[in-house]
Parts: sequence; structure tokens; C-alpha cells
Amino acid sequence: QITLKESGPTLVKPTQTLTLTCTFSGFSLRTSGVGVGWIRQPPGKALEWLGVIYWDDDKRYSPSLKSRLTITKDTSKNQVFLTMTNMDPVDTGTYYCAHDYSNYVMQFDYWGQGTLVTVSS
Amino acid sequence: QSVLTQPPSVSGAPGQRVTMSCTGSSSNIGAGYDVHWYQQLPGTAPKLLIHGNNNRPSGVPDRFSGSKSGTSASLAITGLQAEDEADYYCQSYDSSLTAFFGTGTKVSVL
Repeated sequence: QITLKESGPTLVKPTQTLTLTCTFSGFSLRTSGVGVGWIRQPPGKALEWLGVIYWDDDKRYSPSLKSRLTITKDTSKNQVFLTMTNMDPVDTGTYYCAHDYSNYVMQFDYWGQGTLVTVSS
Repeated sequence: QSVLTQPPSVSGAPGQRVTMSCTGSSSNIGAGYDVHWYQQLPGTAPKLLIHGNNNRPSGVPDRFSGSKSGTSASLAITGLQAEDEADYYCQSYDSSLTAFFGTGTKVSVL
């Protein structure tokens, strides 16, 4: 059974750096093709893909946010980390991590419950 | 802004058939990359509904079906039920492994 759970601060100040952790079970990031993606959703708005990290440490980022994002992993601890710099109130929203079935089809078949991040001074 | 465009809302009476479109471009859907669909019930995380254009994961009712043609894809719900009231998102990607979600469609059951 695959599960994922996001954790991190619920409130950050403008200009600060956000770091979120995705802790997962039921799969390994040593498995060929597998990845963990990050997706966010501002309140009342659509989903926005942020990026993904794959088993071989290949990383892909949203072009519009690439300069602010870093995704890393700790395979031994079954954790993936999202770092987003220079946070702004428009970055407020629910942040999800999700299991990416394969880098050939980018299919997010299991999702965490999400964590709400508010950016405010 | 998303590169995949969906109608903001669709509605239907219980038992009816509703469809929603997902319009992309020649660099994503039209280039042959898969389209996936997600259902997001109020206050919950998205759930994979259709993968690989027209495949249902285990446990998804066969009332849900997907199709793809050219630069667009569609999701159909036949025999609409009250529990289908949710937001639906399409998702695809491109050759640089950049994923895109659609603008989302809210389904209302009258």
C-alpha cells in the first residue's frame, strides 16, 4: 500500500524560504522509473505542477518557478524535500506530493493529503 | 496559466451523461503524450480517475471513460450520480518531462 504525507511549516513570512518534506511508504525511489512529484493548489484555484524527482536523481521543474525550486531526496529515509525560495503571498496554498508511476508517462497515481502553507507577515 | 484548457463547469441531472474537454497543443497532447484525469472531491486530495487516455485504475466505476483525439482529450461520465459532484482536472506533459494540469472543470449534479 502506497502512502505519502507532507510536513512542514504552516506559516512563512514573505521573502523566507519554504522547505517541505514528503515521507512515503509502500515503494522505493530505487525502483527504475519511479518518481515523486510536487503539486500545489492556491485556495479555490487549479492544480499547478511544481516539479518531480526520479529514482536516478533526474529532476524536472516548472519553467515558471525553476529559479526558486529545489527538489532533493533521501532514499534511505524514504523522503523527498521541496525547497522554494523568496516566498510571496501568492504562494499561499495546499502543497501535495504524489507518487509518479513512471518517467515515461508522468502519472500521479497516489497523493498525500496535502499541507496548507500560508505566506503572510 | 495552464496550457491545458477545460470548460469551467458542466452540469447534468442524475442519470444523464456529461462530457468535458481538455484542449492542449501540438507539443503535449497532440504530440502523442498521455492524458490523465483526476477527480477532486471537496476538501480532499485529487484522485487518479483515468490514466493513459482511457484506462481506469482498479476501483473506478466504468461510468467514467476517457478519450483522446488530435490536440484534445475528453472525459465522459455516464449515469451521473450525486457523488460525482467534484472538480475534474486533466494532465499531460511534454518532451522535456514538464507536466501540466488543466484549468479544471466543476461538475454539478442538478
